[in-house]
Amino acid sequence: QQQVKQSPQSLIVQKGGISIINCAYENTAFDYFPWYQQFPGKGPALLIAIRPDVSEKKEGRFTISFNKSAKQFSLHIMDSQPGDSATYFCAARPGFQKLVFGTGTRLLVSP
Amino acid sequence: EAQVTQNPRYLITVTGKKLTVTCSQNMNHEYMSWYRQDPGLGLRQIYYSMNVEVTDKGDVPEGYKVSRKEKRNFPLILESPSPNQTSLYFCASKRNTGELFFGEGSRLTVL
Repeated sequence: QQQVKQSPQSLIVQKGGISIINCAYENTAFDYFPWYQQFPGKGPALLIAIRPDVSEKKEGRFTISFNKSAKQFSLHIMDSQPGDSATYFCAARPGFQKLVFGTGTRLLVSP
Repeated sequence: EAQVTQNPRYLITVTGKKLTVTCSQNMNHEYMSWYRQDPGLGLRQIYYSMNVEVTDKGDVPEGYKVSRKEKRNFPLILESPSPNQTSLYFCASKRNTGELFFGEGSRLTVL
């Protein structure tokens, strides 16, 4: 089970609100969970990543929450800003093998 | 400046006309990979290369070829493009940390 299921497909949040994107996986061998951010016309870029030995990782306004027992992880964007409008991909990887990407979430933060 | 450079960025072609999308990285990374991005399907790996002269199929290799004669270059070849290969293509190289570093993408339309 190499899939990573991502939801929602699209999300509209008001400026200052909290954006939440969820991902779920089946493969218990996954041990690295990054989030990539992609602006229009650009390639994806690593935003934040977590390993399953911690339940939360925070970098500025971006937080990954990880629930190992539920096999779910989520990205929270606090105080969302129009500049956060982008497509977000979750991903997972078993060991040093290839990354498996979610289907992406298009986030629009309205002014 | 560290970068992955793809060319062309935009291309419209016709069915059956061979084309090559070039990819070059200046970071001396051993691992390189090609992805295609389609709405609702996320990023899917086409081919990857662990090092010079070492390439392997990803999840969607049909209709594509690659070569890795030099560490910095990893071209993607479409011998006989078809309309279902209309997509946004990304080349990526991998840092020692495991982070994928993407190019800016090549949008291909096959008529």
